Amino acid sequence: DTEVTQTPKHLVMGMTNKKSLKCEQHMGHRAMYWYKQKAKKPPELMFVYSYEKLSINESVPSRFSPECPNSSLLNLHLHALQPEDSALYLCASSQLPGSEAFFGQGTRLTVV
Amino acid sequence: GENVEQHPSTLSVQEGDSAVIKCTYSDSASNYFPWYKQELGKGPQLIIDIRSNVGEKKDQRIAVTLNKTAKHFSLHITETQPEDSAVYFCAASDQGAQKLVFGQGTRLTINP
Repeated sequence: DTEVTQTPKHLVMGMTNKKSLKCEQHMGHRAMYWYKQKAKKPPELMFVYSYEKLSINESVPSRFSPECPNSSLLNLHLHALQPEDSALYLCASSQLPGSEAFFGQGTRLTVV
Repeated sequence: GENVEQHPSTLSVQEGDSAVIKCTYSDSASNYFPWYKQELGKGPQLIIDIRSNVGEKKDQRIAVTLNKTAKHFSLHITETQPEDSAVYFCAASDQGAQKLVFGQGTRLTINP
């Protein structure tokens, strides 16, 4: 089983809203990632969690706040987003940081 | 940091023919090279990968080759089928850096 589950699949939010994206994996992977993907572009790394600790923040604005409650779960808290933040947000996990990564189906986020 | 160049950006082949996508990387410390297939509305799917201690790897109709000296690696798809139509991304990783760096993607279209 190489499944990474993301919820919700689609999200529309206003610029003053607070929302959260959720990601779950039950493969025993110790690294989890958030990526952002704009249309016709490759995924861009946002955050890396290694053994439940934040190990990489790719200079992401503070309106994006990641959280790793346990080794199976990863959240991305969203607050005061801008329309340009509209994108596909992808979660991935790997057994070890930097090793083969498995992606979820993504959350299509639209900021209005 | 690592930079990955991918060519071509679009590729159209007749069903049954072969398709080749090429990538170059800049960081000689990179040692892991996965390929992902992304269909419309879905997350990237890992299809094959290769590590720097191997020159070639094959899985049914898909093969990847790696030339460490020239810092390039290629994806070969033989006997292409309509379901191979998708966007393909190469990536490179130095596991110490904990992250994948993606190429810009190739939109592959298989014409019946």
